[in-house]
Amino acid sequence: QVQLQESGPGLVKPSQTLSLTCTVSGASISSGDYYWTWIRQPAGKGLEWIGRIYTSGSTNYSPSLESRVTISIDTSKNQFSLRLSSVTAADTAMYYCARIVSPNSYMDVWGNGTTVTVSS
Amino acid sequence: DIQMTQSPSSVSASVGDRVIITCRASQGIGRWLAWYQQKPGKAPKLLIYTASTLQSGVPSRFRGSLSGTDFSLFTLTISSLQPEDFATYYCQQSNNLPLTFGGGTQVQIK
Repeated sequence: QVQLQESGPGLVKPSQTLSLTCTVSGASISSGDYYWTWIRQPAGKGLEWIGRIYTSGSTNYSPSLESRVTISIDTSKNQFSLRLSSVTAADTAMYYCARIVSPNSYMDVWGNGTTVTVSS
Repeated sequence: DIQMTQSPSSVSASVGDRVIITCRASQGIGRWLAWYQQKPGKAPKLLIYTASTLQSGVPSRFRGSLSGTDFSLFTLTISSLQPEDFATYYCQQSNNLPLTFGGGTQVQIK
């Protein structure tokens, strides 16, 4: 059974960098059948796709966040990570990691999510 | 970016009712559409992918379909609403990057 678990600080100061890690269990992150992705959801609002990474390290980002986002992968730890720089209150949200099935790009397994608040 | 517009934004229904949710893409997306269910405080759960393929373990009362011929209008039908189906439903297109979601449809108890 594949499971994803987000981890990282729940509170980040404005202008600093948000860093989250997603640990994958029950499957190899090196599988060529999947991408690995981050999605966020402000409280009471809809879902926003942040970006995705392939096992090779190839990435795609949402244009609205591209200048501030870096997604990386560590196959030795079966983890992938999100860094979002220069955060503001608008980045306060629940952050989910998920697995994307290639090539259809739907998300079949999700983590439980982690809440990140941007506040001084 | 492809815009995904869901309607209605909310619907009130009773157990046993048939509920239909619509998702319209701003351009044709083939069959590259998925539907998710999200309950309060939980992560979204995949229901349907490639417009009409039921994810393993999802009850058959959920049905996805493509309406029309321009590959931009999709529906999610819940044939007989059950108590556990009260949730928010999202569509998501994967024809183009960036991946985009609809705004959600909240299914509430009447």
